[in-house]
Amino acid sequence: DGGITQSPKYLFRKEGQNVTLSCEQNLNHDAMYWYRQDPGQGLRLIYYSQIVNDFQKGDIAEGYSVSREKKESFPLTVTSAQKNPTAFYLCASSISGKGQGDAFFGQGTRLTVV
Amino acid sequence: AQSVAQPEDQVNVAEGNPLTVKCTYSVSGNPYLFWYVQYPNRGLQFLLKYITGDNLVKGSYGFEAEFNKSQTSFHLKKPSALVSDSALYFCAVRNGNNRLAFGKGNQVVVIP
Repeated sequence: DGGITQSPKYLFRKEGQNVTLSCEQNLNHDAMYWYRQDPGQGLRLIYYSQIVNDFQKGDIAEGYSVSREKKESFPLTVTSAQKNPTAFYLCASSISGKGQGDAFFGQGTRLTVV
Repeated sequence: AQSVAQPEDQVNVAEGNPLTVKCTYSVSGNPYLFWYVQYPNRGLQFLLKYITGDNLVKGSYGFEAEFNKSQTSFHLKKPSALVSDSALYFCAVRNGNNRLAFGKGNQVVVIP
């Protein structure tokens, strides 16, 4: 079945470590997104990519990095520069074009700093 | 940049009563508007969208939404709420590019 897969579901990180969250889709979507969800703050856009080898910063990109080497994959690295990384991270994809496409979401990765 | 506002943190409704979740938007150009639902520790599920055409949009699970251009609103409605509708609801907007902006979300609690 087509879909979008995030792994791992739960991730623990020690302070000062970088960690990478995986996001893979087999929907043939051009656009992919990373959001951070905190209680009471909704979804905040970290990075998005409209096409392979191109990506743009969202509203809270500081302390994060991404790559888009393949259409199917959009990994997110949470670096040690991100001061408060504990959150629920959601990846999404959609058909590119004029913005009319629905976004399909993965099941999320819950990152906890220990 | 485009944005949405969901003014209420929580909406409480008795089972069987009508449910309304409010959303207003700000965008330059024509808006593309979406509603999503989230259950605990899960991703978001698409409910419905407005692109063009009829202002009343029908979606999944008996939900509908009304687009009102003059009030820049896109409120989500269900005529008769179920306990299983208890979840977190998000409104979102695009304006023709691919940047998708979400509101803060509304927790809906349906009381048996």
